[in-house]
Amino acid sequence: DAKTTQPPSMDCAEGRAANLPCNHSTISGNEYVYWYRQIHSQGPQYIIHGLKNNETNEMASLIITEDRKSSTLILPHATLRDTAVYYCIVRPRYNFNKFYFGSGTKLNVKP
Amino acid sequence: EAGVAQSPRYKIIEKRQSVAFWCNPISGHATLYWYQQILGQGPKLLIQFQNNGVVDDSQLPKDRFSAERLKGVDSTLKIQPAKLEDSAVYLCASSHTGTGGNSPLHFGNGTRLTVT
Repeated sequence: DAKTTQPPSMDCAEGRAANLPCNHSTISGNEYVYWYRQIHSQGPQYIIHGLKNNETNEMASLIITEDRKSSTLILPHATLRDTAVYYCIVRPRYNFNKFYFGSGTKLNVKP
Repeated sequence: EAGVAQSPRYKIIEKRQSVAFWCNPISGHATLYWYQQILGQGPKLLIQFQNNGVVDDSQLPKDRFSAERLKGVDSTLKIQPAKLEDSAVYLCASSHTGTGGNSPLHFGNGTRLTVT
């Protein structure tokens, strides 16, 4: 199973873009990159996922490098409510088992 | 659409007692997951169901934990007897199965268990 590496914590100023990196150097061609976040006392919330191409939705953008060994989640205009733990997860395309969380990145958005 | 429902929200028990958690997934979601999240850690997968069959229970401590999903809809996770180290948040999630790994998991807000 492909593993992910994320920094334990990051700070971001309110209103600025938050760029959260994730390393998944052992990812295979048939594995998706998923991003979730978890706000205190809540369950993990789905943000976005992608296979090869960059993706954007109303919450965030996902940038996947051409070799797929790393990705970046971008929150374009961070607010205090974006303070949370962000998890990057690699998931097989044809085996929908194995949805494993790592330790994530604690994003602190500061006023 | 309604989200994943879990109850109770909080539970406090003494060690060696038993406890049960309930989960109702999003309508139409065939796959259901139970996770354990200890304070300060990421969620850990305990068991995964596809309809009413177990797909993966490799990380479930089967000497004390059990789970069922009898009619392929809601599910119950039980701990008997509880230990102090079982204090955690128990999260339930569900997903479509039709598109395999292209289906996001949707989580409930969990049950916070405290064992004293």
